Amino acid sequence: EIVMTQFPATLSVSPGERATLSCRASQSVVGNLAWYQQKPGQAPRLLIYDASTRATGIPARFSGSGSGTEFTLTISSLQSEDFAVYYCQQYNNWPTFGQGTKLEIK
Amino acid sequence: QLQLQESGPGLVRPSETLSLTCTVSGGSISSTTYYWGWIRQPPGKGLEWIGSVYYSGTTFYNPSLKSRVTISVDTSKNQFSLKLSSVTAADTAVYYCAYGRSLPPHFDSWGQGTLVTVSS
Repeated sequence: EIVMTQFPATLSVSPGERATLSCRASQSVVGNLAWYQQKPGQAPRLLIYDASTRATGIPARFSGSGSGTEFTLTISSLQSEDFAVYYCQQYNNWPTFGQGTKLEIK
Repeated sequence: QLQLQESGPGLVRPSETLSLTCTVSGGSISSTTYYWGWIRQPPGKGLEWIGSVYYSGTTFYNPSLKSRVTISVDTSKNQFSLKLSSVTAADTAVYYCAYGRSLPPHFDSWGQGTLVTVSS
C-alpha cells in the first residue's frame, strides 16, 4: 500500500492570500496524483489530476505541481468558497488517499 | 455530464451484508471510457477506495476489503452495485459512487453519498 501523508493537518490563511498544501507519497507515484476539495456535507470534487492538470471548470487560481513523492497544491488569492478540506490521492497503484488538510479562515 | 445517485438501506445489522446501488444518468454505463467505483468515508475521517468495475464486469478491489466485497454492473438498468459482507461497526460510513477515466482510477465526479450505519 502506498501511504499518502498530507501536511499541515490544518492551515489558517486570510482571504486574498496564497495557500500551499503538501502531499508526500511513501514511494514514487510518478505523476499519478489527484487533488480533491470537500466541503461539509458534500462529496469530494476533483480539482487536479496527473499532478498538474486542472479538471473541467476549476478556476485558474488552483494549481498543482510535483512528481515522484512530493506534491503541492497552491491556491492563489483565496476566496471565501475555497475554505474546505483538501485530499490528495495517488493512482499509480490501487488508489489511496491522504488524511486531508483543513484550510480554515485566519 | 454524467450524474450518479446512490441508493440502499441506511441501517444494516452487524454480520449482515451491506448492499448499495448506483444509478447512472446522462450517459451509458456501457461506455468504454469510464471505470465505475465505490469510495467510503467514516464519519469525521478520510476517504477509502473500496473497488471499481468496468462495463464488461472486470473488477478491481482494495486488497484490504477484497475478501468481503463484490462489485457488479447491470448494463440493462444503467447501474452498478456494491455488496460488503460480514459488516461491523467499523463499516459505518458515507458510501460514494464515482467514475473516472483512468485505471488505476482517479475520480472525475461523485454521487452525493449515502450514510450507512451498522448497528443492532
